[in-house]
Amino acid sequence: DQQVKQNSPSLSVQEGRISILNCDYTNSMFDYFLWYKKYPAEGPTFLISISSIKDKNEDGRFTVFLNKSAKHLSLHIVPSQPGDSAVYFCAAHAGSTLGRLYFGRGTQLTVWP
Amino acid sequence: EAQVTQNPRYLITVTGKKLTVTCSQNMNHEYMSWYRQDPGLGLRQIYYSMNVEVTDKGDVPEGYKVSRKEKRNFPLILESPSPNQTSLYFCASSRQNSNQPQHFGDGTRLSIL
Repeated sequence: DQQVKQNSPSLSVQEGRISILNCDYTNSMFDYFLWYKKYPAEGPTFLISISSIKDKNEDGRFTVFLNKSAKHLSLHIVPSQPGDSAVYFCAAHAGSTLGRLYFGRGTQLTVWP
Repeated sequence: EAQVTQNPRYLITVTGKKLTVTCSQNMNHEYMSWYRQDPGLGLRQIYYSMNVEVTDKGDVPEGYKVSRKEKRNFPLILESPSPNQTSLYFCASSRQNSNQPQHFGDGTRLSIL
């Protein structure tokens, strides 16, 4: 039973355009959400996070939006660059300290020139 | 340099031969965790540890053991490996607070024949 879902296995976007990666969750107890990026032959690296008390968090070209009523979050990358091509994982957990952490299956983003 | 180090990076072995994958971090992190990544399944948590001598099961703990005798080390033990444990494994560490991102190792690719 997957509690964090990324329903699009892949996304292809032209350089300079916006990339939107989506993530849905089922557990209403989740209150912290993170996005990780993964290149081949490397471990995932942290990208951006958001707490459930917010609905938006920005960091440079990356913005995460949280819609608690819909149990949906999205990652926007503007403008997209070829170096953004990677697998993006959405993750979630409940509580003020880390414990069980739930990941989605990932979305392969390809940014073409 | 802050890092999470996994060894070995690659291993091919046979069914039933006990093996240990080591994980060490130099950031004095309380929280450590093991994940496996399989095609189409994303990252799934195997075990995690909130601190020394404190470990707990993740999504897929069957067939694995862990121990946390020291803060810096969190080895993953496969007592009797089977082919369905062929996978890419990642160790991660972080501070315990929920807003702290995890630092991942570069992964260990295990092939069980």
